[in-house]
Amino acid sequence: QPQLQESGPGLVKPSETLSLTCTVSGGSISSYYWGWIRQPPGKGLEWIGSIHYSGDTYYNPSYPSLKSRVTISVDASKNQFSLSLTSVTAADTAVYYCARRALESSGLYHWYFDLWGRGTLVTVSS
Amino acid sequence: EIVMTQSPATVSVSPGERATLSCRASQSVSSNLAWYHQKPGQAPRLLIYGASTRATGIPARFSGSGSGTEFTLTISSLQSEDFAVYYCQQYNNWPPTFGQGTKVETK
Repeated sequence: QPQLQESGPGLVKPSETLSLTCTVSGGSISSYYWGWIRQPPGKGLEWIGSIHYSGDTYYNPSYPSLKSRVTISVDASKNQFSLSLTSVTAADTAVYYCARRALESSGLYHWYFDLWGRGTLVTVSS
Repeated sequence: EIVMTQSPATVSVSPGERATLSCRASQSVSSNLAWYHQKPGQAPRLLIYGASTRATGIPARFSGSGSGTEFTLTISSLQSEDFAVYYCQQYNNWPPTFGQGTKVETK
């Protein structure tokens, strides 16, 4: 069973860029969509976006202020994908999870997530 | 986007008892509903998809039901490892959205 591990700074200053990487181990990054989901303290889960290993990308349109600041990228050679969030504020403080979008054996993708990382807490504070 | 509402926020159950968790969608999501659980410090884990299909390795004591806007997750006989937070998520309409979670705690 593949595993996902998030890595990156736990503390980011306001107005700076939050950068996280997710490493896929025990399996290949190919064929799947890989994404980021976050959970602000005391709040629910928010899907941020997902990327296919080929580079096809989806971002959540429900949060325009987030969508305009987010970039998700993939490095298939390293079995990694990354999240970049610019101009962060305290509202971006959250646990950030990386997760795999479900893929049926038939080749059909679904928008639920069948594999998750443990998450990493990122605090935005000066 | 579709809003998912879970109830109750917290449920207190004794080991061996049944727990019933509810999830409601603001509009129909057909059977495109998933359930996850999350223990402290651990990754969320997929339990159910398609409203009622158990994911690989999930014990039979977990069962999901419902369609449209009303869904239920039932844990037939709670084990110690089942005390966790449970989330529902719809994937019928894009973007996918999650409920706020129900915490299952020991009575």
